[in-house]
Amino acid sequence: DTGVSQDPRHKITKRGQNVTFRCDPISEHNRLYWYRQTLGQGPEFLTYFQNEAQLEKSRLLSDRFSAERPKGSFSTLEIQRTEQGDSAMYLCASSRNRAYQETQYFGPGTRLLVL
Amino acid sequence: DQQVKQNSPSLSVQEGRISILNCDYTNSMFDYFLWYKKYPAEGPTFLISISSIKDKNEDGRFTVFLNKSAKHLSLHIVPSQPGDSAVYFCAANTGTASKLTFGTGTRLQVTL
Repeated sequence: DTGVSQDPRHKITKRGQNVTFRCDPISEHNRLYWYRQTLGQGPEFLTYFQNEAQLEKSRLLSDRFSAERPKGSFSTLEIQRTEQGDSAMYLCASSRNRAYQETQYFGPGTRLLVL
Repeated sequence: DQQVKQNSPSLSVQEGRISILNCDYTNSMFDYFLWYKKYPAEGPTFLISISSIKDKNEDGRFTVFLNKSAKHLSLHIVPSQPGDSAVYFCAANTGTASKLTFGTGTRLQVTL
């Protein structure tokens, strides 16, 4: 069990550029989640996948954000036309496909800074 | 609308003493509660959880208590160690729902 991994760990970009983050879940987990955390706040839910299907999206996920999980394994989160307000820690988590009271395990996060 | 609240932003405890971190929630549909620990520049690490059918769950030095009538839970760490110094987040979900709702965290400092 290698845990959830995320790449890159840090990203600095200029306003208006596109960025893409990758998440590799724990191998036997078929649920994958994206959260965003800003300074002084707890993580906020963005979206989640069960296998390759995106089952829920938060209203926080504007149309500049898109997430994919094409083969039900790794996932990517893309932010188009980044804004300074997108600066945050982007966290990925995974869990087993239990129907009830599952525990989510988090990766180390990708810290994004938009200049 | 902050459905999970951690009203103490910080807590300082001496090594060897008990640390008590508190969490309140407003959504009566929440039935699964988790505590995560977070070090700077790392992701949250799962510590312990509790189902709403229980009022206590223990794992080593960590115990979580749930008071459903008061919509309150607490994490007890006994004895506290310097390595426990971190930010602790309370989280909840509605069991069959998938997203976790987090509090804003409590920074614990364990002093020598």
